Amino acid sequence: NAGVTQTPKFQVLKTGQSMTLQCAQDMNHEYMSWYRQDPGMGLRLIHYSVGAGITDQGEVPNGYNVSRSTTEDFPLRLLSAAPSQTSVYFCASRTPGTGAPYEQYFGPGTRLTVT
Amino acid sequence: AQSVAQPEDQVNVAEGNPLTVKCTYSVSGNPYLFWYVQYPNRGLQFLLKYITGDNLVKGSYGFEAEFNKSQTSFHLKKPSALVSDSALYFCAVRDGTYKYIFGTGTRLKVLA
Repeated sequence: NAGVTQTPKFQVLKTGQSMTLQCAQDMNHEYMSWYRQDPGMGLRLIHYSVGAGITDQGEVPNGYNVSRSTTEDFPLRLLSAAPSQTSVYFCASRTPGTGAPYEQYFGPGTRLTVT
Repeated sequence: AQSVAQPEDQVNVAEGNPLTVKCTYSVSGNPYLFWYVQYPNRGLQFLLKYITGDNLVKGSYGFEAEFNKSQTSFHLKKPSALVSDSALYFCAVRDGTYKYIFGTGTRLKVLA
């Protein structure tokens, strides 16, 4: 199992450019999430999905779009990059069950710089 | 609203000494609590979780955590610290739905 994979590892964008951060998992996990990590802020939830075709907003969704056409993939789109989106982005997945607290598996992260 | 607090930005401990990384939480209903570790330039790795039952939870790499309901705390502990334990540690709580709320992280530095 590769677990959760993310591409690219690093990216530099100019303000106003768009791009897609890729995330894939091979564990057949239904739940997937995107977080951003900023110094002193911990991890903040951007968007999440509870299955193919179902997505919802997290704590900081503005400026980001997601879709979930397959169980395996959960791409994150930056529509028009802004310097405030400079961050490290993590994708995570887990098995379902609102009644059971399953742990999340995290990808290695994408470090994004917007100039 | 659910929340998690990690009151220390950094904890320094000498190798071989016991370590504690603090976490307090606020959640309605039964708390589901987690500890994750992040090594430099890596994603987060699961260490341990509290669901119910014994207040002392054992996890990976010799870590354990003590759940204290009256103090709403879930402190991470290890009897004897290693230099290789130096990393960023996150406490998290599940809010009863699909979402996890993370603390701001505590950097642990183990000195040789």
